[in-house]
Amino acid sequence: DAGVTQSPTHLIKTRGQQVTLRCSPKSGHDTVSWYQQALGQGPQFIFQYYEEEERQRGNFPDRFSGHQFPNYSSELNVNALLLGDSALYLCASSLGENTGELFFGEGSRLTVL
Amino acid sequence: DQQVKQNSPSLSVQEGRISILNCDYTNSMFDYFLWYKKYPAEGPTFLISISSIKDKNEDGRFTVFLNKSAKHLSLHIVPSQPGDSAVYFCAASASGTSYGKLTFGQGTILTVHP
Repeated sequence: DAGVTQSPTHLIKTRGQQVTLRCSPKSGHDTVSWYQQALGQGPQFIFQYYEEEERQRGNFPDRFSGHQFPNYSSELNVNALLLGDSALYLCASSLGENTGELFFGEGSRLTVL
Repeated sequence: DQQVKQNSPSLSVQEGRISILNCDYTNSMFDYFLWYKKYPAEGPTFLISISSIKDKNEDGRFTVFLNKSAKHLSLHIVPSQPGDSAVYFCAASASGTSYGKLTFGQGTILTVHP
């Protein structure tokens, strides 16, 4: 049973560039949430996708956008990268919107130079 | 504005003893609380949760206590084992929002010495 898979695991970008991160949810799950974890901090909620729509959004600028595909996989896009966007980006999946038990992937480590 | 706070960045405990990790919250709308454990190079994994209608929930060696009046919860691990060494995150959510939208604390690094 495949868990949550994310790609790429590591990547380096320069300021102003754009990045796309990908996530495949755990088998049977239909909801994907994205979190940003800065060094030494807890994960911060970016947004959640359910039925291919953004359902909830955290306090992140519009430079952060996403998408969910019919197979429930998801992408996180960040435009006009800033140094402060350097972080571990975590994808979590769940069954339905209203369950507290999220299953997390290992994350994508983004470094912005 | 840190709505969920874990004021102890680290905790060191001897194997076999009790580990107590603490968490405070400020948002009175939070009604569901969770603990996650994170090993290096892995994503957080769910450990235990508690609803605001309870004040205690047990699962094996892990017990979570909730004090709503103090807006405080704690995780007890008894007995502690070296494999419990990890970063522990407290998280909270509010009904009326999706449970996928969790607010996390900063984490506490637990080290259990053999």
